[in-house]
Amino acid sequence: TQLLEQSPQFLSIQEGENLTVYCNSSSVFSSLQWYRQEPGEGPVLLVTVVTGGEVKKLKRLTFQFGDARKDSSLHITAAQPGDTGLYLCAGAYFGNEKLTFGTGTRLTIIP
Amino acid sequence: DTGVSQDPRHKITKRGQNVTFRCDPISEHNRLYWYRQTLGQGPEFLTYFQNEAQLEKSRLLSDRFSAERPKGSFSTLEIQRTEQGDSAMYLCASSFGPKNTEAFFGQGTRLTVV
Repeated sequence: TQLLEQSPQFLSIQEGENLTVYCNSSSVFSSLQWYRQEPGEGPVLLVTVVTGGEVKKLKRLTFQFGDARKDSSLHITAAQPGDTGLYLCAGAYFGNEKLTFGTGTRLTIIP
Repeated sequence: DTGVSQDPRHKITKRGQNVTFRCDPISEHNRLYWYRQTLGQGPEFLTYFQNEAQLEKSRLLSDRFSAERPKGSFSTLEIQRTEQGDSAMYLCASSFGPKNTEAFFGQGTRLTVV
């Protein structure tokens, strides 16, 4: 069974602070996505990373894929209340192309 | 709107009743996924289709659950003899696949079994 662990599980910080969320697996991903989900809604795709060591930026969000393609991180600079939500990583493994989701990081930004 | 559409958004049913949910994927996507999400958890995989073929079913999908995608377009997920433990958000997603796993989700169907 492939397990995808996210940390921290909960994070509450003040507006303007920086934060990093982690996603780790014992297996190699063929690709990895990050999603944000708000209460009562479906997850919304933020980014896809495919290449080991890849870094992608989306405004104040920076996504990095580990060199070995077993882990990923999401860094948010100068967090804003609109960043509040559940952040999910989801990976596809070679030979098993369905997405496996992590347990999520619930982020709260305090104004 | 050309995104993934799910119907209904909310369903309240009595224990023992059957329910059916519908998902309309993005039109050019040939992969369609069903996930279940309970409060505070990430989505759990249930099943997926490549066109009309059901390629994989999770062990979570008991014999009370059945999914179809008869013409390779929309899909239905039926739960028979619902139990309180079936209460969850049921999410549908589609992707261009098979090499592209970038999945786009619908807004989900919230099922409450009373």
